[in-house]
Amino acid sequence: QKEVEQDPGPLSVPEGAIVSLNCTYSNSAFQYFMWYRQYSRKGPELLMYTYSSGNKEDGRFTAQVDKSSKYISLFIRDSQPSDSATYLCAMRGGNEKLTFGTGTRLTIIP
Amino acid sequence: GAVVSQHPSWVICKSGTSVKIECRSLDFQATTMFWYRQFPKQSLMLMATSNEGSKATYEQGVEKDKFLINHASLTLSTLTVTSAHPEDSSFYICSVRQRSGAFSGNTIYFGEGSWLTVV
Repeated sequence: QKEVEQDPGPLSVPEGAIVSLNCTYSNSAFQYFMWYRQYSRKGPELLMYTYSSGNKEDGRFTAQVDKSSKYISLFIRDSQPSDSATYLCAMRGGNEKLTFGTGTRLTIIP
Repeated sequence: GAVVSQHPSWVICKSGTSVKIECRSLDFQATTMFWYRQFPKQSLMLMATSNEGSKATYEQGVEKDKFLINHASLTLSTLTVTSAHPEDSSFYICSVRQRSGAFSGNTIYFGEGSWLTVV
């Protein structure tokens, strides 16, 4: 079993829809949770960063962490074609090593 | 603006030659930098952790003599792929860690990546 599981998609939704992206994990030591957006042939760009359980909102993006269920989510409201990218969840414990999900390819259809 | 600069963005080299990739932290001093490799449609795999002034820590299965890492200053780390082979063709990405006092944790920023093609 992988430490971090993420549905690779692809996921296609119409413009304006709410997008829900999810990851599950097995390592209870993970404390820091991140979502990265990666455009084709580019490096990952940090979108959201949360520590422990709870919600965090930034503009159209909301990150949720449920440590009891070992489940994290990223919601994108009012999705735009420019949101089309691969979204990677990542997490780490007390050390500095990040563990990534496989990424979900998202396409927003105009 | 960019926090991490990576150079070159694209490189093509002949099999058997060596290629150096640079990673620079632009906004802060980075005692620790990370090197990842990403194959098409796959996730990032950590290759090694680069520590300023000391030897890098390599992940299991990564050849130290093939992927040479030098972290000579607080803002620069280099990855040299020695005696490159076509199977080394990949997307190489570096990242730097920034401490954030507000969270008593830290965030990690990535470079734009370097595409290596070995022919």
